[in-house]
Amino acid sequence: QKEVEQNSGPLSVPEGAIASLNCTYSDRGSQSFFWYRQYSGKSPELIMFIYSNGDKEDGRFTAQLNKASQYVSLLIRDSQPSDSATYLCAVRRPTGTASKLTFGTGTRLQVTL
Amino acid sequence: KAGVTQTPRYLIKTRGQQVTLSCSPISGHRSVSWYQQTPGQGLQFLFEYFSETQRNKGNFPGRFSGRQFSNSRSEMNVSTLELGDSALYLCASSPSGYSNQPQHFGDGTRLSIL
Repeated sequence: QKEVEQNSGPLSVPEGAIASLNCTYSDRGSQSFFWYRQYSGKSPELIMFIYSNGDKEDGRFTAQLNKASQYVSLLIRDSQPSDSATYLCAVRRPTGTASKLTFGTGTRLQVTL
Repeated sequence: KAGVTQTPRYLIKTRGQQVTLSCSPISGHRSVSWYQQTPGQGLQFLFEYFSETQRNKGNFPGRFSGRQFSNSRSEMNVSTLELGDSALYLCASSPSGYSNQPQHFGDGTRLSIL
């Protein structure tokens, strides 16, 4: 079982719709969760992070965390063609004073006109 | 505030050579982590440095090493390069590396091995 799992996609949504991206993780000790967006040929860009169960909203983005079910999701409202990218879920579990960020393989999102 | 700066952006090397990549973190950030990204394996953690000490290490062979200087700048070295080392190498920084601090990535160094 992979530590962080994402559906590779592509997930295709029409412009203006809600895109829902999901991520599950295996380590119950994980404490913080991050969503990064990566355009082709570019480096990952931080979109959202969440530490507590529930929802966290930032503009058109909402991160949802359910630690009991070990999943985290990202909702993108009013999807735009510029949202077309690969979305990486990352999970961090502290190990003593250090911490290691583990990434999923990413979900490719395509927003169609 | 300047972001994470990685140099060089592109490198072409041949098998058996060695290479050194450089990373300057965001000003004030003391934790630097390195990742390797390939199409097949995705983003994989190499190591993390804080206050010139390696705090965490991923599952990579000893050919991959790094260090951090007193100004928090970090270098990564790969010796005896293999074809499979062709990848995008990413550096990320955070203030102190605590679990609730997001990491911010540089633009990466794309390494190609011929």
